[in-house]
Amino acid sequence: GDSVTQMEGPVTLSEEACLTINCTYTATGYPSLFWYVQYPGEGLQLLLKATKADDKGSNKGFEATYRKETTSFHLEKGSVQVSDSAVYFCALSKAAGNKLTFGGGTRVLVKP
Amino acid sequence: DAGVIQSPRHEVTEMGQEVTLRCKPISGHNSLFWYRQTMMRGLELLIYFNNNVPIDDSGMPEDRFSAKMPNASFSTLKIQPSEPRDSAVYFCASKGTGQETQYFGPGTRLLVL
Repeated sequence: GDSVTQMEGPVTLSEEACLTINCTYTATGYPSLFWYVQYPGEGLQLLLKATKADDKGSNKGFEATYRKETTSFHLEKGSVQVSDSAVYFCALSKAAGNKLTFGGGTRVLVKP
Repeated sequence: DAGVIQSPRHEVTEMGQEVTLRCKPISGHNSLFWYRQTMMRGLELLIYFNNNVPIDDSGMPEDRFSAKMPNASFSTLKIQPSEPRDSAVYFCASKGTGQETQYFGPGTRLLVL
C-alpha cells in the first residue's frame, strides 16, 4: 500500500538556521503531495502542496519540489524563526484527495 | 470564514462510558473525515463521508466506534463503551468538491481513565 516516510525528530535549530525535512513516498500512480503543519494545541494546517512531478510548492518561506525520480518531497526553509516551531507532516493523496496518507511527523524546535 | 468546528475540545471520561465527539464542517464542503492521532500510531483515517454517505470506514478500530452524518453540517463520532486505549486526539476535516486540500478542525483531546 501507499506509505510516507519522513525523518524522525525532534530537530532543534537556532533562529535563522536552514531547515530541511526529508520525505519520501511509496505509491502507485501519480499522487499529490502535501506538507501540513501542526502548531502546539492546534489542528493541522496545509503548508504547501504539489500535484505533479517537478511542481514546486511554496508558502511562508517554505519550499518543496515534487521529485518523481527519487519519490521525494523534501521541505526546506532558508532561515527559520521561533514561530516555525511545530510538527510537520508530509502526506500524499490519491482519489481526488479523499485518502490522505501521512508520514509520522517531524517535530521542529527553533531556539532564539 | 468559520473553519471546521469540533466539540468538545477536551473530554475526560471513565472507562465504560459513552463518548460523543461532534464536528461541523466548513459550509459548502461535501466530504468529511475523522482522524485519530496518537503517539504510537500517528495520524490514522478512521472514516470519511461524501455527501453525508459513509464511503470508507476501514479505519474504524472496532464495533465500539460508530460515526454518523445526518446532514451536511454535522457529524458525530461515538465510542461506546470507551476504553483507556481510546485516549487520543480526534480530528475532523472537510473538503470541497473537486478540491484536494482537507481543512482540519482543532481536534478533541480525549482521555479515558
